[in-house]
Amino acid sequence: EAGVAQSPRYKIIEKRQSVAFWCNPISGHATLYWYQQILGQGPKLLIQFQNNGVVDDSQLPKDRFSAERLKGVDSTLKIQPAKLEDSAVYLCASSSINEQFFGPGTRLTVL
Amino acid sequence: RKEVEQDPGPFNVPEGATVAFNCTYSNSASQSFFWYRQDCRKEPKLLMSVYSSGNEDGRFTAQLNRASQYISLLIRDSKLSDSATYLCVVHSGSARQLTFGSGTQLTVLP
Repeated sequence: EAGVAQSPRYKIIEKRQSVAFWCNPISGHATLYWYQQILGQGPKLLIQFQNNGVVDDSQLPKDRFSAERLKGVDSTLKIQPAKLEDSAVYLCASSSINEQFFGPGTRLTVL
Repeated sequence: RKEVEQDPGPFNVPEGATVAFNCTYSNSASQSFFWYRQDCRKEPKLLMSVYSSGNEDGRFTAQLNRASQYISLLIRDSKLSDSATYLCVVHSGSARQLTFGSGTQLTVLP
């Protein structure tokens, strides 16, 4: 079974630039999550989708972050404009009933 | 207070040692509990679920104390390959959200 796919794997940008990340979940998984993991911390949930609807985006900084999941499959997460403190690994996960499976993440460095 | 708190370590132990990690959670309504393992520069992966009766998977034993809101993970006969960060994870709410602790770093030394 193919796992969660993410791209790009690495991205370096300057502050105030824009960036977008892509995620393709495991086939058949209705629930998709985006997490932010800052170095030395555990993953923090940014947004959760059920099919193409948002279940929870309470921790998403909506002034600069946006996410969508058109057609209930792939998802994109965008940051515009980026700040230095956005440097982190952005993890996408999808879930079956009992377990979340994570993608390899996108490592973002904001200079 | 953080929702899920762990001792960050690092724990440096010799091969063959027994090591225990502890975790506390603040939401008494939390429903499910897990330990995830995260290797350096890799994604988290489920290690095991934690049940009220305690559960064991080979060299790994997980315990839950709901009254004290406390979770533990015991690793016996440590192997070099056990070196990783261990994340305590709590599932709360109807939306199946996971809250992660900051992780405990383990290094098993030869």
